[in-house]
Amino acid sequence: EPEVTQTPSHQVTQMGQEVILRCVPISNHLYFYWYRQILGQKVEFLVSFYNNEISEKSEIFDDQFSVERPDGSNFTLKIRSTKLEDSAMYFCASSPGTSGGGLETQYFGPGTRLLVL
Amino acid sequence: QKEVEQDPGPLSVPEGAIVSLNCTYSNSAFQYFMWYRQYSRKGPELLMYTYSSGNKEDGRFTAQVDKSSKYISLFIRDSQPSDSATYLCAMKGTSYGKLTFGQGTILTVHP
Repeated sequence: EPEVTQTPSHQVTQMGQEVILRCVPISNHLYFYWYRQILGQKVEFLVSFYNNEISEKSEIFDDQFSVERPDGSNFTLKIRSTKLEDSAMYFCASSPGTSGGGLETQYFGPGTRLLVL
Repeated sequence: QKEVEQDPGPLSVPEGAIVSLNCTYSNSAFQYFMWYRQYSRKGPELLMYTYSSGNKEDGRFTAQVDKSSKYISLFIRDSQPSDSATYLCAMKGTSYGKLTFGQGTILTVHP
């Protein structure tokens, strides 16, 4: 069964460093998302991406964040200058481009655990 | 008022019990309702999906949506130890819009 994959599974970085989190969405899916989950808290929406542009972003997704689909298969989240409070589990999700019959649902990857020291 | 509220539990039941998990929400624009299961330090796994009001059954799982009360439920029949996980309700207003999640309910089914 097709699944969303994410790399790395764990990343430790120093405050102020740039990190890139990578995702390979399910093939033929057209909508892509990033969410994060701070330990013990809710899963929170960061950004959605369709047709090579951001379709929606949350207030968390400020200028230090960016997303890109560089090669038609990967979908990346870049954090330019990491802060301690960016420590969280980051989930990528994808959704097909067809409406109806539950095809609008989002399928999540296993996550990247980011620790900022 | 939080957009989506879910009792975090924890909930502990014996094997074979019927489990009821619930969420309430305040945003009347929500049209799509989902339940995800999340094992420790893993990604959310889709369990059930419902559009608008009504019931949906899949094996031991039944999802109910009551939009008039802004209340959704997930029932698990004949619960198994393998059902032990965190259950997340999630909802959205448009087909490809962002998901808004509840806090998650931690469920333990003991043999």
